[in-house]
Amino acid sequence: DTGVSQDPRHKITKRGQNVTFRCDPISEHNRLYWYRQTLGQGPEFLTYFQNEAQLEKSRLLSDRFSAERPKGSFSTLEIQRTEQGDSAMYLCASSLGTGDIAEAFFGQGTRLTVV
Amino acid sequence: GQNIDQPTEMTATEGAIVQINCTYQTSGFNGLFWYQQHAGEAPTFLSYNVLDGLEEKGRFSSFLSRSKGYSYLLLKELQMKDSASYLCAVTDSNYQLIWGAGTKLIIKP
Repeated sequence: DTGVSQDPRHKITKRGQNVTFRCDPISEHNRLYWYRQTLGQGPEFLTYFQNEAQLEKSRLLSDRFSAERPKGSFSTLEIQRTEQGDSAMYLCASSLGTGDIAEAFFGQGTRLTVV
Repeated sequence: GQNIDQPTEMTATEGAIVQINCTYQTSGFNGLFWYQQHAGEAPTFLSYNVLDGLEEKGRFSSFLSRSKGYSYLLLKELQMKDSASYLCAVTDSNYQLIWGAGTKLIIKP
């Protein structure tokens, strides 16, 4: 296992188009997180899965954003009708935990540019 | 509200020591993480503190005072490769990570 992987690494899309990103966590990790990061800021929490269940979703997340983790393994994040403000780095992280604290391992991220 | 404060930018000299401070106000506390992030890359784990005191790991040490809502990351024998952003993150009562904006550390020869 080479760690958390994300695909694609870069995505340029026109405003109004839909995009989908994929995250493959470390295989034994039950927790998966999606974050968004803009230049000069720390990661902003988007949503969190424990196995296949989506346990929390940021209030900042509009209804254009949806995430799935159908079999408790890989996850997808879809953004519909993209806007220029969606341009950011989208980070996926995974951890192994059952209610206690666990170190999160991050993927390399998907950099989205909406033109 | 929940808030984590760190300096935006710091500059230090190669071979020297630098201390990056972090103060936090969160709803509950279940530990504090420090991550390193090089430009254009993902954050990587450096340290975790849940009890008061100093945790040392090689050239890096992290300190926590829960009563003061305060932590610092100490980097010794600075190397050029230490130029990066250092992110402080606190796990709140819901076990969610609350992130600071990061401190950009510039190392000069």
